[in-house]
Amino acid sequence: GENVEQHPSTLSVQEGDSAVIKCTYSDSASNYFPWYKQELGKGPQLIIDIRSNVGEKKDQRIAVTLNKTAKHFSLHITETQPEDSAVYFCAASITNTGNQFYFGTGTSLTVIP
Amino acid sequence: SAVISQKPSRDICQRGTSLTIQCQVDSQVTMMFWYRQQPGQSLTLIATANQGSEATYESGFVIDKFPISRPNLTFSTLTVSNMSPEDSSIYLCSVDSGTAFVNEQFFGPGTRLTVL
Repeated sequence: GENVEQHPSTLSVQEGDSAVIKCTYSDSASNYFPWYKQELGKGPQLIIDIRSNVGEKKDQRIAVTLNKTAKHFSLHITETQPEDSAVYFCAASITNTGNQFYFGTGTSLTVIP
Repeated sequence: SAVISQKPSRDICQRGTSLTIQCQVDSQVTMMFWYRQQPGQSLTLIATANQGSEATYESGFVIDKFPISRPNLTFSTLTVSNMSPEDSSIYLCSVDSGTAFVNEQFFGPGTRLTVL
C-alpha cells in the first residue's frame, strides 16, 4: 500500500518568515494530495489540495507544489503569523478507489512572534 | 464544505465499558470514515461506513471491537467496546465531499476518549 513520509516533525520559524513542509509518497498511482491543519483540540481542517495534473497551486499565503517524477509534494507558507502555529498533515490518495487517505506523520509548526 | 458534529466531545471511561460516538452531518454524504488519532500521532483509518452496507474495516481493526452503524446518509456511530487504556485516543469522523470522484474529505471536531 501507499506510504507517506513527512518532514520535519517539528518546525519553528520567526513571524514573517516562510515555512516549508515536505512529503514523499510511494505509490505512483496516487493522484490527490491534500494538506490539513489541526489546531489543539480540534479536528483537521483542509487548507489546500493538489491533483496530479497540476504542478503548483496557490491560495493567498499558502502554496503546494507537486513533483510526480520524484513523488514528493510540499507545503509552503509565506509571511507566517502566530495563528499559523498548528500541526500540519499531508496525505495521498487515489481517486475512485474508495477515498482511502494515507496520512503523513505530521509537522508541528510554531511561529515565534 | 459539510458541517460535521460529534458527540460526545470528550469522555472519561472505565476499563471494560463501551462508548458510542455519534457523527452527524448537515448534508447527505455517500461515504463516512472513522479515524483514530493516538496522542501526538497521525490519523489511522479504522473503517469506511457506507449507508446500506456493512462497514469496511482496515487491517488491525475488527467489528467486534469497533462496531459501526450507518442508518442514513447523514449519521453514523462508532462504538468502542470493552475498552482498555490503550483505546485512549481522539476518534474522528470524516465525510467525502459528496461530489463523485472529487476525493475531498472533511473532518469533525473529534471525540477525546480517556480510558482509566
